[in-house]
Amino acid sequence: DTEVTQTPKHLVMGMTNKKSLKCEQHMGHRAMYWYKQKAKKPPELMFVYSYEKLSINESVPSRFSPECPNSSLLNLHLHALQPEDSALYLCASSHPSGGLPYGYTFGSGTRLTVV
Amino acid sequence: QQQVKQSPQSLIVQKGGISIINCAYENTAFDYFPWYQQFPGKGPALLIAIRPDVSEKKEGRFTISFNKSAKQFSLHIMDSQPGDSATYFCAARVRGSARQLTFGSGTQLTVLP
Repeated sequence: DTEVTQTPKHLVMGMTNKKSLKCEQHMGHRAMYWYKQKAKKPPELMFVYSYEKLSINESVPSRFSPECPNSSLLNLHLHALQPEDSALYLCASSHPSGGLPYGYTFGSGTRLTVV
Repeated sequence: QQQVKQSPQSLIVQKGGISIINCAYENTAFDYFPWYQQFPGKGPALLIAIRPDVSEKKEGRFTISFNKSAKQFSLHIMDSQPGDSATYFCAARVRGSARQLTFGSGTQLTVLP
């Protein structure tokens, strides 16, 4: 299994809603990431988990709350989002730094629209 | 110093032509240079990657050329096909960095039939 699976593929939520994005991988990767991607822009790193511990938070607003329940799962809990948070949210996994292969495997993303 | 500069922003090529996308970097701590291909509505997919101790790597129609002294690397797509129309991102990785990849700004490639 060489895939990163993200659900849901599309999500529309109101500014007062609470929702969660889910990500799953079974490649044995011990580093997992959340990225945010706006149209025609490169992915922007949000969070990095290494061995199920949060190692990087790129100054992301607290309305985004990541969770790594185990080595295969990564969640992103959303609350009180703003319309400018509408974007493609990508999950990725890799071997932690220093390991091979260096490449990331990205999921297909969740297209989030905040209304 | 973490930036990777990518050009051109967009590229239009005729079917069968050669597509060339360039990237430049400043940080000599980068030790891995991948290229990603992204189709609309999909996540980026690793296309090809190179280490700085190699000057060229070829996989099928895709070739990375790497110039360590100039701190530049480029992607060449030979015999470009309409199915290659996508956005391409170069990236670079700092050895030992938990932040992993630094992406270029992207190139939107259109291959005309």
